[in-house]
Amino acid sequence: GENVEQHPSTLSVQEGDSAVIKCTYSDSASNYFPWYKQELGKGPQLIIDIRSNVGEKKDQRIAVTLNKTAKHFSLHITETQPEDSAVYFCAATDGAGSYQLTFGKGTKLSVIP
Amino acid sequence: DTAVSQTPKYLVTQMGNDKSIKCEQNLGHDTMYWYKQDSKKFLKIMFSYNNKELIINETVPNRFSPKSPDKAHLNLHINSLELGDSAVYFCASSPTGLEKLFFGSGTQLSVL
Repeated sequence: GENVEQHPSTLSVQEGDSAVIKCTYSDSASNYFPWYKQELGKGPQLIIDIRSNVGEKKDQRIAVTLNKTAKHFSLHITETQPEDSAVYFCAATDGAGSYQLTFGKGTKLSVIP
Repeated sequence: DTAVSQTPKYLVTQMGNDKSIKCEQNLGHDTMYWYKQDSKKFLKIMFSYNNKELIINETVPNRFSPKSPDKAHLNLHINSLELGDSAVYFCASSPTGLEKLFFGSGTQLSVL
């Protein structure tokens, strides 16, 4: 099955700085890579996703990059704000044609005002 | 309007009891899931279910059983609760054939 490694496990940044979270996956057939944000006491919420036929995708202050050759993908948050503080999860599908997701272990991001 | 709602939000119970968690989605999705999040925040799928098929994760003890009265509801029944069952359980749904998950707000289960 798929194995997704995520790091760092915790990340503290000053407000206004950028934050980068990195993930690697094991199954070269995986073709969908979402990122979820989980705020305290809430369920994870999809914030951005990317498919294997695309190298980069942006949505305002967040962006995701994918390197299929190296089997890694990253989340970039620019101009961080206190409300960005949360746990972020990367995920990957279990191989081509599968709709099951394997999640990374999460990164707790703290944005210091 | 809450897209995926689950009840109760908190559940405290004794070892050996049987309990249920209810989940409802109003998104019109065909596929629903149960995920378990342990104390280290690790999210792991337990079941996925749609109109046609229940997919059981092999690592889930058979004390856990999903029941779906219709495609908008997926309840989770847990028999003979154990201390290790303490976790947050999330219900989720997705349109069939798409991987985008919509999660509920979770049920924190504490087994004493």
